[in-house]
Amino acid sequence: GAVVSQHPSRVICKSGTSVKIECRSLDFQATTMFWYRQFPKQSLMLMATSNEGSKATYEQGVEKDKFLINHASLTLSTLTVTSAHPEDSSFYICSARPGLAGGRETQYFGPGTRLLVL
Amino acid sequence: GQQLNQSPQSMFIQEGEDVSMNCTSSSIFNTWLWYKQEPGEGPVLLIALYKAGELTSNGRLTAQFGITRKDSFLNISASIPSDVGIYFCAGLPSYNQGGKLIFGQGTELSVKP
Repeated sequence: GAVVSQHPSRVICKSGTSVKIECRSLDFQATTMFWYRQFPKQSLMLMATSNEGSKATYEQGVEKDKFLINHASLTLSTLTVTSAHPEDSSFYICSARPGLAGGRETQYFGPGTRLLVL
Repeated sequence: GQQLNQSPQSMFIQEGEDVSMNCTSSSIFNTWLWYKQEPGEGPVLLIALYKAGELTSNGRLTAQFGITRKDSFLNISASIPSDVGIYFCAGLPSYNQGGKLIFGQGTELSVKP
């Protein structure tokens, strides 16, 4: 199956610093990638849609200046959590959407990044 | 935002038992996806469904796209301890907004050896 990687898998940072998380589709091109946040025992909460070559679109309530997204190539999207605070601690997961194959949509998820802000 | 109604929320079963979970929606969906997520990992795609009535298997897992296009179920036969995890349904509604998935709340499965 299609493989999506995330880096780093875990990061601990001090309050006020910025953290960059990378999401890569390893064996397919993804014009669209999605960034999610997940709290323990809960479902995935969509934060933003990352479109290659254009600005990301953010879900209601997600601060675009706080969570900077860059999708510079068909295989890489990055999420930067700026001026991180303890309440930003969470599990961040990306997904990548391959081009349609006969109209069949699907998405593949990365392994997630655990962020802890002290 | 919209969320699929997934049930049950949790299941505690004995190894060897069969498991069934389902998702329902108030609107029509074009695609149903079933994922499994283990602790500290991202969701892994198990089965994808694209046509009403479609029945697809992946090993001991079987999923169906409901005829009304408003529901889907996932069955696991002869469960084993490694089936433990959270199972999510996800779908793309007919009013597809750029591929954004709608998720169920998840079914947490525990298997007693």
